[in-house]
Amino acid sequence: QVQLQESGPGLVKPSGTLSLTCAVSSGSITSGYWWTWVRQPPGEGLEWIGEISQSGNTNYNPSLKSRVAMSVDKSKNQFSLNLSSMTAADTAVYYCAASTYYSLHFWGQGTLVTVSS
Amino acid sequence: EIVLTQSPGTLSLSPGERATLSCRAVQSVSSTYLAWYQQKPGQAPRLLIYGASNRATGIPDRFSGSGSGTDFTLTISRLEPEDFAVYYCQQYGTSPPEFSFGGGTKVEIK
Repeated sequence: QVQLQESGPGLVKPSGTLSLTCAVSSGSITSGYWWTWVRQPPGEGLEWIGEISQSGNTNYNPSLKSRVAMSVDKSKNQFSLNLSSMTAADTAVYYCAASTYYSLHFWGQGTLVTVSS
Repeated sequence: EIVLTQSPGTLSLSPGERATLSCRAVQSVSSTYLAWYQQKPGQAPRLLIYGASNRATGIPDRFSGSGSGTDFTLTISRLEPEDFAVYYCQQYGTSPPEFSFGGGTKVEIK
């Protein structure tokens, strides 16, 4: 089964840009899944950020669309998230996941990102 | 975006009891696009049910999903100690393509 691991900074300054990477192992990034990002503010529920296919097609949450960019790097078997103009409201655990059959079958362990100066 | 409302917010039960969790959509959702997740503290969510009633790989058969249209249910037939957690429903919308989650139901030990 697919294994996912997020990496990136745990602290981002206000107005800065978050860059996270999700490494895919025990499977290929070209295996047909849609590669997804979900976040969860401390003590709150889940929020879908967006998804990207192996060919680079994207769907983003309309509420975040103006600040989000996702990409796939087939040579490194990984995909990435950029989220710009960060504020304290973006403080959350960020998860990467693999979706198929319109559901998220595999998840990374998550990484806490704090927005603070 | 299709809004999903989960009820109750908290369910207090004892091990061995039956748990019934509800997920209601403001408009009709295809069963194909409805999923359920379990999340324990400090852990990532885990897929339990997809397509409204299909158990994900490795999920015990005490977990079952049902429903159609705007009303969906997750049932845990007999609660085990490891089942006390938060449960989320999720739907996938096609116009535009997007996931949305319910607010969650916490199943706690009574």
